[in-house]
Amino acid sequence: KQEVTQIPAALSVPEGENLVLNCSFTDSAIYNLQWFRQDPGKGLTSLLLIQSSQREQTSGRLNASLDKSSGRSTLYIAASQPGDSATYLCAVRANFGNEKLTFGTGTRLTIIP
Amino acid sequence: NAGVTQTPKFRILKIGQSMTLQCTQDMNHNYMYWYRQDPGMGLKLIYYSVGAGITDKGEVPNGYNVSRSTTEDFPLRLELAAPSQTSVYFCASSYSSLTNTEAFFGQGTRLTVV
Repeated sequence: KQEVTQIPAALSVPEGENLVLNCSFTDSAIYNLQWFRQDPGKGLTSLLLIQSSQREQTSGRLNASLDKSSGRSTLYIAASQPGDSATYLCAVRANFGNEKLTFGTGTRLTIIP
Repeated sequence: NAGVTQTPKFRILKIGQSMTLQCTQDMNHNYMYWYRQDPGMGLKLIYYSVGAGITDKGEVPNGYNVSRSTTEDFPLRLELAAPSQTSVYFCASSYSSLTNTEAFFGQGTRLTVV
C-alpha cells in the first residue's frame, strides 16, 4: 500500500528566503506526482504536476523535482513572500487508468514578514 | 471559469439525518472523485467515477453513496449521518489521458454531525 509522508508538518521562515518542502513515498511505481496548495478553509489549488518520466517542473518561483527511484519529491520556493503562507500537499497517482491520488498530510508553511 | 463547484459550503446535521452534497464541473472531465479531509490525516478517497454511469469505491466508502448520471454531476449521499462523518469533503475532477491527468478541486463542504 502506497504511503506518502511530508516532513516537517510545519515550517516557518523569514520573508525572502528560499525554502524546500519534502515529500516521500514508499512505492516508487508511480505514474505522476502533483503538488497542491491549500489556504485555510479553502480547497486545493494545483501547483505543479510531474510525470514519472520527468525530473522537474517549474512554474514561476516554484520548482518541483522528482526522484522516483528514491521515492522523493521536493518543492522549492524561491524568494518566499507572506502570500506563500499555506499548507502544501503532495499526492501520487499509481498508474495510468488508476486515477486515485494518495495524499501526504501536508506541510503548513508560514512566511514571517 | 467555474471549474468544480460544491454546495453547500457548510452544514450541521443531527445524528441519523440524511443529506446530499452536490458537486458539478464544467470542464468536461471524465473522472470525478470525493475525498474527505480530517485534521492531521490527509485526504482519503471515498468514491470515484470514471464516467457517467460508472462508480467505484475508494478507501473509506462506508456510510456513503454516489451516482453519476451525467458527466457534469457527482453527488455524494449520506443516508444516516454519524459523528464519525464530521469532516471536510472535497470533490475533484480530472481528465484521464496519457498527457493530462491534472486534478482540480472544489472549495469543500464542511460538515458537522451532532
